[in-house]
Amino acid sequence: AQSVSQHNHHVILSEAASLELGCNYSYGGTVNLFWYVQYPGQHLQLLLKYFSGDPLVKGIKGFEAEFIKSKFSFNLRKPSVQWSDTAEYFCAVNAKAAGNKLTFGGGTRVLVKP
Amino acid sequence: GAVVSQHPSWVICKSGTSVKIECRSLDFQATTMFWYRQFPKQSLMLMATSNEGSKATYEQGVEKDKFLINHASLTLSTLTVTSAHPEDSSFYICSATMGVETGELFFGEGSRLTVL
Repeated sequence: AQSVSQHNHHVILSEAASLELGCNYSYGGTVNLFWYVQYPGQHLQLLLKYFSGDPLVKGIKGFEAEFIKSKFSFNLRKPSVQWSDTAEYFCAVNAKAAGNKLTFGGGTRVLVKP
Repeated sequence: GAVVSQHPSWVICKSGTSVKIECRSLDFQATTMFWYRQFPKQSLMLMATSNEGSKATYEQGVEKDKFLINHASLTLSTLTVTSAHPEDSSFYICSATMGVETGELFFGEGSRLTVL
């Protein structure tokens, strides 16, 4: 079945470390890609999105993601994390092949130790 | 930015009762709203797509008679969990879009339902 996969369920790292979260999808054709973040006790917020153009997308709070079409990937990165980046991160894909419904990956819980 | 508000944010009810959750787009008109369910430590599962003025489209495995969705206006969609049971306890999240084609969604705060 077509899906969105996030490889890491939990990530623990120290402040100032670099973060990379993997996201792969299995839809062919045109896709729109998103990363959402859910801070503890808060609702989902959009970090960044890719529709077209430059495959390296910069979002809020120093996050960026790179769309690699050949690898069906949209990995999220941040060079130096802060304690406040502790949250759950969701990759999501909107694909014409899936009827334009937004499908979420399983999420990655990130814990940044101070 | 676009704001979506859900109410109530949490509700506790007795088994067998019905519970209504409201989802409002505060500063934009949402022709399409989506209802998700999030189980503990799991991702969001799409329950149904709600279009203003028409019947909701339910995902496979979601009981339409159990989860009644009404999208009466461009700014309001409601989810009613009928004859709730403990297994319906979950976190329900609504979202709205200004453009279905792009897929960008704006999320409500979520509503935590606990059925005793």
